[in-house]
Amino acid sequence: GQQLNQSPQSMFIQEGEDVSMNCTSSSIFNTWLWYKQDPGEGPVLLIALYKAGELTSNGRLTAQFGITRKDSFLNISASIPSDVGIYFCAGHPSSGGSNYKLTFGKGTLLTVNP
Amino acid sequence: GAVVSQHPSRVICKSGTSVKIECRSLDFQATTMFWYRQFPKQSLMLMATSNEGSKATYEQGVEKDKFLINHASLTLSTLTVTSAHPEDSSFYICSAGDISGNTIYFGEGSWLTVV
Repeated sequence: GQQLNQSPQSMFIQEGEDVSMNCTSSSIFNTWLWYKQDPGEGPVLLIALYKAGELTSNGRLTAQFGITRKDSFLNISASIPSDVGIYFCAGHPSSGGSNYKLTFGKGTLLTVNP
Repeated sequence: GAVVSQHPSRVICKSGTSVKIECRSLDFQATTMFWYRQFPKQSLMLMATSNEGSKATYEQGVEKDKFLINHASLTLSTLTVTSAHPEDSSFYICSAGDISGNTIYFGEGSWLTVV
């Protein structure tokens, strides 16, 4: 079945540093989603990408949909302590309709030292 | 923005009893909702796809008679853990897709502890 390889598994950085994480897939996805999950809570959508090559920003976050449609990355600039959490990439093969099952990466645990 | 709400957020039940978790889409209609289970420090594991007005589709290895799913309306899906055992203790999360687009939103999650 489809798999997403997310890396790195964990990161320990100093406040103010930039962060980059990525996901690669064995097959084509037409939608990429990035979520953040705080302990004990559900994932919160950060950025949604629908088009190959698309680069989208949300505040200090920037994500790109790879042109091969098999990868995506998320960058966080000037990290702050509240950026701590687990970041998940997710994708699904459809570019239309939201009733498809998501395939998730295994997550990147981000720790930010003040 | 779109909101998906789960209730209860935390529940403790005795072994052998059943517990129901609700998932509601608050400002959009969702013909499909998804139920996940998450173990500590792990990714989300899809349990089943809840289809409005029809039977849920369960992932391989998930017992349909143990995890009953009902999706009676376009804004509500319920997951009932029947005859709960301590090994069913986990974090259960639902998600729903906004039918006008591709975006999928998650509920806040429900902690189940079976004692």
